[in-house]
Amino acid sequence: DTAVSQTPKYLVTQMGNDKSIKCEQNLGHDTMYWYKQDSKKFLKIMFSYNNKELIINETVPNRFSPKSPDKAHLNLHINSLELGDSAVYFCASSPSWQSYGYTFGSGTRLTVV
Amino acid sequence: AQTVTQSQPEMSVQEAETVTLSCTYDTSESDYYLFWYKQPPSRQMILVIRQEAYKQQNATENRFSVNFQKAAKSFSLKISDSQLGDAAMYFCAYRSARRGGSEKLVFGKGTKLTVNP
Repeated sequence: DTAVSQTPKYLVTQMGNDKSIKCEQNLGHDTMYWYKQDSKKFLKIMFSYNNKELIINETVPNRFSPKSPDKAHLNLHINSLELGDSAVYFCASSPSWQSYGYTFGSGTRLTVV
Repeated sequence: AQTVTQSQPEMSVQEAETVTLSCTYDTSESDYYLFWYKQPPSRQMILVIRQEAYKQQNATENRFSVNFQKAAKSFSLKISDSQLGDAAMYFCAYRSARRGGSEKLVFGKGTKLTVNP
């Protein structure tokens, strides 16, 4: 009964390919996020959606495009993958305007070769 | 912009001993939330403890407690009776409580905690 589930957990792909990571939450939260964790473990926000509306779009190459078909889903599509895109990508969700922090998915380790 | 600093890239502790992880932050806001997250080798991000800035009382969760010093902008995590399962990366994080403000969590760079048997 996973609260925030991401698929796939591991993704190995060649440079230049296009790939997607899916995220779903069953907590009824209004806000969902994508974070990138680099090789030094630093976590940085990429995008945030509130009720299907994009509210945070940090400085991210436009090869990255989030899509939220409904408030329980937030997918991340990456075009023309580059070696530097290799990282762990975390999806998370939270209730709006609450102090409860985020609930994270288990992460997707993307390796571009 | 808010920043979070964890000055200890690595720490170690003997099993059953106590260890304190440091965190400082920079903000001009008066209302915010602070968190400690744990990331074991499984890479799952687990919320350990949280603190509302308007509360003077330090949060406690079992063996985990914080020392929140608002004026000093300091938020340290104390782990008592350390266990092998506490070995992980620990991240301090800040979130604005300002309505209309960004809801994003701003993370520190993490402290890797090793627990020695």
